[in-house]
Amino acid sequence: QLQLQESGPGLVKPSETLSLTCTVSGGSISSSDYCWAWIRQPPGKGLEWIGSIYYSGSTYYSTSLRSRVTISVDTSKNQFSLKLTSVTAADTAVYYCARHPNRVTTGWGFVDYWGQGTLVTVSS
Amino acid sequence: DIQMTQSPSSLSASVGDRVTITCRASQGISNYLAWYQQKPGKVPKLLIYAASTLQSGVPSRFSGSGSGTDFTLTISSLQPEDVATYYCQKYNSVPFTFGPGTKVDIK
Repeated sequence: QLQLQESGPGLVKPSETLSLTCTVSGGSISSSDYCWAWIRQPPGKGLEWIGSIYYSGSTYYSTSLRSRVTISVDTSKNQFSLKLTSVTAADTAVYYCARHPNRVTTGWGFVDYWGQGTLVTVSS
Repeated sequence: DIQMTQSPSSLSASVGDRVTITCRASQGISNYLAWYQQKPGKVPKLLIYAASTLQSGVPSRFSGSGSGTDFTLTISSLQPEDVATYYCQKYNSVPFTFGPGTKVDIK
């Protein structure tokens, strides 16, 4: 059974960098059948796609966050990571890591597995 | 970027009612549209992808239709466990934008 687990600080100061890691278990992050994503949800609000990464390192980012986001992958640890720089209170959210199936017939970009999510609060 | 809208933003219906939620893309996205259900305090769950393909394990009372810019999610007979917020997401190309959500509760 695939499991995704987010880890990282729950509190980040304004202007600092938010760093999270997603550990994938029960499956290989190096499979060409999948891509991996970060999605966030501010308290009481909707879902926002942050970006995605393929095991080869190819990345795809949200237009609005592109200047502040870096997503990377460590295939030796079966992990992928998120860094978001210069955070403000508006970046307070539950951050989810997730999996995109990569299917020729139906495309890729929807999410079939989600981590449990981790709340990151930006506050001094 | 393509914008996604949903209507209504919330609805209240009786158990057994047929419920329809609409999702509209600002440009055509073919059938690259997914629907998710998020129950209060829970992780989102994939219901439908490719506009009309039911994810494994999802009850058959859920169905999706549409192509191009206009899509619908239908619950044929609303159940108490369907109380949730429903999101559409387009994935024809990046960015993979979500709709703002439709909150469904029981009357």
